Amino acid sequence: EAQVTQNPRYLITVTGKKLTVTCSQNMNHEYMSWYRQDPGLGLRQIYYSMNVEVTDKGDVPEGYKVSRKEKRNFPLILESPSPNQTSLYFCASSKQQGNYGYTFGSGTRLTVV
Amino acid sequence: GQNIDQPTEMTATEGAIVQINCTYQTSGFNGLFWYQQHAGEAPTFLSYNVLDGLEEKGRFSSFLSRSKGYSYLLLKELQMKDSASYLCAGTSGGSYIPTFGRGTSLIVHP
Repeated sequence: EAQVTQNPRYLITVTGKKLTVTCSQNMNHEYMSWYRQDPGLGLRQIYYSMNVEVTDKGDVPEGYKVSRKEKRNFPLILESPSPNQTSLYFCASSKQQGNYGYTFGSGTRLTVV
Repeated sequence: GQNIDQPTEMTATEGAIVQINCTYQTSGFNGLFWYQQHAGEAPTFLSYNVLDGLEEKGRFSSFLSRSKGYSYLLLKELQMKDSASYLCAGTSGGSYIPTFGRGTSLIVHP
């Protein structure tokens, strides 16, 4: 089944403890992206990647890191999480061009206390 | 990225027709997506418009006017399950990475 897999689905952590949210897609998509979704603010892009070893900042990159060493994987790293990073996170992937749209993962609900 | 604007909330009656509007910046514009998102779930792709005009997909249709920076999503024969947030997202420049609006929460009541 074609899908984007995020893990974990739910995570509660403490301020300053490094964490990684994994994202993997099995559709051979070039484009991958991370978004966070907060009430009243909608989906805001954190980082995106247009191919292996190519990553770019989105609208809200502060406090996050990403890497794209393989086409299928695009992990999101929070080196020192803070409470303002409590949010719902989505990973998404797409073919490089055209009207295919993004396929989204199921989301990761992160709480930083 | 794009500057997307859409209404925050709309309500409609089951069986009716509703139009959700979206405006965007025309500079460097590529195309416009519509997504549906039910509460607590991931967004799902509805449509992508590049050319002017109306594209119909069953009960859902999407319209684009490139010169006016305007799009709408038309939902016909509304059902209770259509209660969801509808996200407008635009792409511009050299990439197809979409910038999302804040979403329109549609409430369908009996």
